[in-house]
Amino acid sequence: QKEVEQNSGPLSVPEGAIASLNCTYSDRGSQSFFWYRQYSGKSPELIMSIYSNGDKEDGRFTAQLNKASQYVSLLIRDSQPSDSATYLCAVRLLTGGGNKLTFGTGTQLKVEL
Amino acid sequence: DGGITQSPKYLFRKEGQNVTLSCEQNLNHDAMYWYRQDPGQGLRLIYYSQIVNDFQKGDIAEGYSVSREKKESFPLTVTSAQKNPTAFYLCASSSKGAGNGLLNQPQHFGDGTRLSIL
Repeated sequence: QKEVEQNSGPLSVPEGAIASLNCTYSDRGSQSFFWYRQYSGKSPELIMSIYSNGDKEDGRFTAQLNKASQYVSLLIRDSQPSDSATYLCAVRLLTGGGNKLTFGTGTQLKVEL
Repeated sequence: DGGITQSPKYLFRKEGQNVTLSCEQNLNHDAMYWYRQDPGQGLRLIYYSQIVNDFQKGDIAEGYSVSREKKESFPLTVTSAQKNPTAFYLCASSSKGAGNGLLNQPQHFGDGTRLSIL
């Protein structure tokens, strides 16, 4: 089992719809969770961080964390073509030590007109 | 402007050659990291450093070396021992935070260096 797993996609949604991106992780003791957006050929850009169970909203983005089920998700409301990118889930695993992050392989999102 | 600067943007390596990728940050961050990204894959940690003059191996350190002589700088050398160096190399940094704040600090990335074999 991979430490951080994401469906590689592509996930295709129509413009204006809600995009739902999911991530599961192996280490129950993990404490910090991050979502990064990466456009093709560019470096990752931090979108959201979440540390407690529940929802955290920032504009059109909502991160959801369920530590008991070991998953974290990212919802993008009113999806726009500019949201088309690969979304990376990053987890600070308890076993990782220090400030190491373990990244999933990313989910490619395509927002279609 | 505060940020992380990686140079060069593109780099070509001849067989048997060592090459060094530069990473400089003016964010006053304590921790710095080097990742490698291959096409269609996630980021894999090469080396990281949490304080000056100290660094630890990540998951794929073989064929790479680093130094951390200054807080602002964390150069990565890709040695001739790294037989498959073609990849996108990303440098990141994070602040220490207060108390257990280190554990909650996100990492921020530079623009990356693309390394290819000639």
